[in-house]
Amino acid sequence: SAVISQKPSRDICQRGTSLTIQCQVDSQVTMMFWYRQQPGQSLTLIATANQGSEATYESGFVIDKFPISRPNLTFSTLTVSNMSPEDSSIYLCSVDGGLGGREQYFGPGTRLTVT
Amino acid sequence: QKEVEQDPGPLSVPEGAIVSLNCTYSNSAFQYFMWYRQYSRKGPELLMYTYSSGNKEDGRFTAQVDKSSKYISLFIRDSQPSDSATYLCAMGSGGYQKVTFGTGTKLQVIP
Repeated sequence: SAVISQKPSRDICQRGTSLTIQCQVDSQVTMMFWYRQQPGQSLTLIATANQGSEATYESGFVIDKFPISRPNLTFSTLTVSNMSPEDSSIYLCSVDGGLGGREQYFGPGTRLTVT
Repeated sequence: QKEVEQDPGPLSVPEGAIVSLNCTYSNSAFQYFMWYRQYSRKGPELLMYTYSSGNKEDGRFTAQVDKSSKYISLFIRDSQPSDSATYLCAMGSGGYQKVTFGTGTKLQVIP
């Protein structure tokens, strides 16, 4: 299994600002994923981040709003740009745990509130 | 219509009860099915994974899949207060991007 940490664990931000969330894994992994979990809604995949290539974004998510970096095999960042209250959510990173991608190990999440 | 429907609960049961958690889905292409458990302020963790119709048992947990009805269930026997968490069903048809999660059912087991 992989141990994943995220920073910050929570933050309260002003509208119009940006926040960068860090995700650190204790082992090298090829694929990392970023999810959003809003109250009452399902986990929604934002993008997949492979080391050495551009992140792949899901429908409804764009790089200008959620730029992602993947500088090495154990680390990734997600930036939430020009925030609005609608961006208030829990943001989770995960890594492939095997089973052909069926199993994912998740970080503890970053709880973001935008005022 | 959502691809995956899951009753959000909350579901409150006494310790020792049998718990039944359910999801329905509309996409007949889904081939594999998972249940994740998420404790408060933690990320989800995989509890059960199954590929075919039928039952799969792991200790006090049984996952059941009925592809003909597009219905999956998770049964918890002899429920414990430590089972109190949100349970997310998830399913997919191939590859990482195809995993679709339910909204989760919040379970509380009362001592």
